Amino acid sequence: EAGVTQFPSHSVIEKGQTVTLRCDPISGHDNLYWYRRVMGKEIKFLLHFVKESKQDESGMPNNRFLAERTGGTYSTLKVQPAELEDSGVYFCASSQQGSTEAFFGQGTRLTVV
Amino acid sequence: QKEVEQDPGPLSVPEGAIVSLNCTYSNSAFQYFMWYRQYSRKGPELLMYTYSSGNKEDGRFTAQVDKSSKYISLFIRDSQPSDSATYLCASSTSGGYNKLIFGAGTRLAVHP
Repeated sequence: EAGVTQFPSHSVIEKGQTVTLRCDPISGHDNLYWYRRVMGKEIKFLLHFVKESKQDESGMPNNRFLAERTGGTYSTLKVQPAELEDSGVYFCASSQQGSTEAFFGQGTRLTVV
Repeated sequence: QKEVEQDPGPLSVPEGAIVSLNCTYSNSAFQYFMWYRQYSRKGPELLMYTYSSGNKEDGRFTAQVDKSSKYISLFIRDSQPSDSATYLCASSTSGGYNKLIFGAGTRLAVHP
């Protein structure tokens, strides 16, 4: 069974540009999470989907970040316009409903120059 | 104050040593405590989780939680070079909802 897959693995963009990160969760996992690790900091929660609905977006840093989950399957996280402080590793995780175990993708390393 | 505190290390030990990794937390509402292992350029991988206080053992790994002192520990027995990774503790208030609060992670190097 395929794990959580994230695309791209690495993205380098200029300040002011737009970047879209994609996450394909494990099939059948209703819960999908986005986390971010900024250099030197802890991994921090961004938001949580249950199927296609946003359950908790309390960790989203500002309105330059937009997350969507089409039809309750894959999810995208768009940053527009990107700023230097957005650089970091963005992780996606998924879990089955009611499960404690969340499975993480390999992350997307975003560098804004 | 961070909700989960973890010494980032690095920690270097010889092969075969017993490794002790620790975290403290401040939120009394935390009920689930996890340990993740992360290899370089990979995503975190769940090693073990514990509900409330107590011990849990899985092979060479033992997780301990002491809620009275808000202390989380992971012990690795007979450490191997393949255990070299970053170990992250994480906590959540609910088992079915994985809004995890992570510690900074401890880098462990096990040398032959």
